[in-house]
Amino acid sequence: AQKVTQAQTEISVVEKEDVTLDCVYETRDTTYYLFWYKQPPSGELVFLIRRNSFDEQNEISGRYSWNFQKSTSSFNFTITASQVVDSAVYFCALSEYGSGNTGKLIFGQGTTLQVKP
Amino acid sequence: DAGVTQSPTHLIKTRGQQVTLRCSPKSGHDTVSWYQQALGQGPQFIFQYYEEEERQRGNFPDRFSGHQFPNYSSELNVNALLLGDSALYLCASSWLPGTGFYEQYFGPGTRLTVT
Repeated sequence: AQKVTQAQTEISVVEKEDVTLDCVYETRDTTYYLFWYKQPPSGELVFLIRRNSFDEQNEISGRYSWNFQKSTSSFNFTITASQVVDSAVYFCALSEYGSGNTGKLIFGQGTTLQVKP
Repeated sequence: DAGVTQSPTHLIKTRGQQVTLRCSPKSGHDTVSWYQQALGQGPQFIFQYYEEEERQRGNFPDRFSGHQFPNYSSELNVNALLLGDSALYLCASSWLPGTGFYEQYFGPGTRLTVT
């Protein structure tokens, strides 16, 4: 069965602190994709990153970085030097290539990040 | 280039009523997926439409139905509304590029409140 778990429901940090959002997934497929989305109060899901199961190379984009480890089925997201504008709900999601390759997304419960000035 | 648009933005309905939500995909996209996001939860896949047919369906009752039109726009219909149907309904459009993967783009959502 496919599942995404974000154990941290809420995280509160002070501006400029580093913060890591955890994501653990379950899948039987050997080919799959992992995502992170940001959802500000407006509600629209903003795409942050996609990773396929064959690419375990970590990625850095500005203050954002992602650590993908197949051995532990984890895809963690770190924000360095957090800013108030980073306050949002963050979702980790999984898409299995074997599910007819429709791109259906399975989301975690989300982590609410609050960055205080 | 307009992104994914959804209408209406907000909607209030009474239990037992029926509702229709609309979605226009991003230009060049031919596939539309619908997700339900209850308060404090992650989005859950309802179904996906491609070539005017339902291609895949999530674990939702038959009260949830949809339609895709020749211009690729889509409607989500919910009959016999329950209080538990109150949620943000998100539409995502996609296409299959040469990479062989569907990149999904989300609309702003429709907030449905059932009283």
